Parts: sequence; structure tokens; C-alpha cells
Amino acid sequence: AQSVTQLDSQVPVFEEAPVELRCNYSSSVSVYLFWYVQYPNQGLQLLLKYLSGSTLVKGINGFEAEFNKSQTSFHLRKPSVHISDTAEYFCAVSLKTSYDKVIFGPGTSLSVIP
Amino acid sequence: KAGVTQTPRYLIKTRGQQVTLSCSPISGHRSVSWYQQTPGQGLQFLFEYFSETQRNKGNFPGRFSGRQFSNSRSEMNVSTLELGDSALYLCASSLGALASEQYFGPGTRLTVT
Repeated sequence: AQSVTQLDSQVPVFEEAPVELRCNYSSSVSVYLFWYVQYPNQGLQLLLKYLSGSTLVKGINGFEAEFNKSQTSFHLRKPSVHISDTAEYFCAVSLKTSYDKVIFGPGTSLSVIP
Repeated sequence: KAGVTQTPRYLIKTRGQQVTLSCSPISGHRSVSWYQQTPGQGLQFLFEYFSETQRNKGNFPGRFSGRQFSNSRSEMNVSTLELGDSALYLCASSLGALASEQYFGPGTRLTVT
């Protein structure tokens, strides 16, 4: 079975500071990796995804993530955060052989402090 | 292009009742997935429909069921509601291919009293 761990449930960070949200996954088969963001009272929006190829993936809103196969990690980073980045962030995986069944991590609440 | 719409946005039901939630996918999308989001359990996959067939199913009891119509619209039904069914129910649509990007609706907030 697959699982996703997000080690930090809450991450406070000052505006314009860098941030890293950590994600580790467990799977016996190859997976696709995703990061989603959820703003208050809204659905989820895809930030970026890793399918194959370059391990550094760039997404929307200045976010990027790096896939590390040996450490089974897919950490999300942003060099300088804005107040508008305050939201819940979810790491997720899906099997390369399973259509649309996505397993989500528990989420990390990012709070940007002015 | 219109996004994923879910109706109703808010719902209050009594324990033992049943409820039907609706999801209209983005035009052209043939896959609809349903998720339950709660503070304690996070986001959990319920099921996925593609071209009117259930293609994937999560680990939920049989009280949770769904269907998809020929126009790709989907409904989710929960029978004999329990207090623990209170949650935000999200649906997501996609083209349905492997690793297709899922587009989420705003969700239906169900409260069971």
C-alpha cells in the first residue's frame, strides 16, 4: 500500500523568507508525485507534479519541488513567500498503473507572518 | 471554461437520513473522483468514475455509493447518515488518462446532527 507523510503539520514563516515543506512517501511500485494547495473555503489546486525526467520540478506561484528517489522524498520549496501563500499544502501520490486514485498526505498548514 | 461545480455547497442532515451530492465536471472531462475531507482523517479517496463506470474505489462502507451519467455529471449518495460522516466532500474531474491533472470543485460541506 502507498502512504504519504508530511512531517510538519504547521509551518510559520516570515514574509519574504524561504520555506521548505517536507514530504516523504512509501510505495513498492513507481508513483507519480503531486503538490496541491488549498486556500480557505476552497477546493484544491495543483501546484506542480513529477511524472518522470528532471527531478527538479517548477510549478505555479514560484514553487518548486525536488524528487529524491533514494530518500523517497518530494519536498516543496519557495525562495521568498508572500502573505497570499498562507494556505494548506498537500503532498500526494498516485500509482503509475492506477487511474486517478490519488493518496494524499495529512497536509501542512503554512502561515506567513507579516 | 467553467470549473468544477458542486451542489449544494452546504447541507445539514439528521442522523439516519440519506443525502445526495452532485458534481458537474469540466466540459470534456470524463473522469470524476470523490474525496472526503475531515480534520481527523484528512483527504480520503472515495471512488472514481470514468465513462459511467466505477474504475477505482477506496475503503469506505457500502453506505457510500456513486454513479456517473452519460454527460459525465456524477452524484454521490450516503445512506443512513452517521455523525462521523460530517465532512467536506470534494469532487475532482480530469481527462482520465494516467497522471491527468485533477481539477477540484469547492466542495459540499455536510453536517450531520
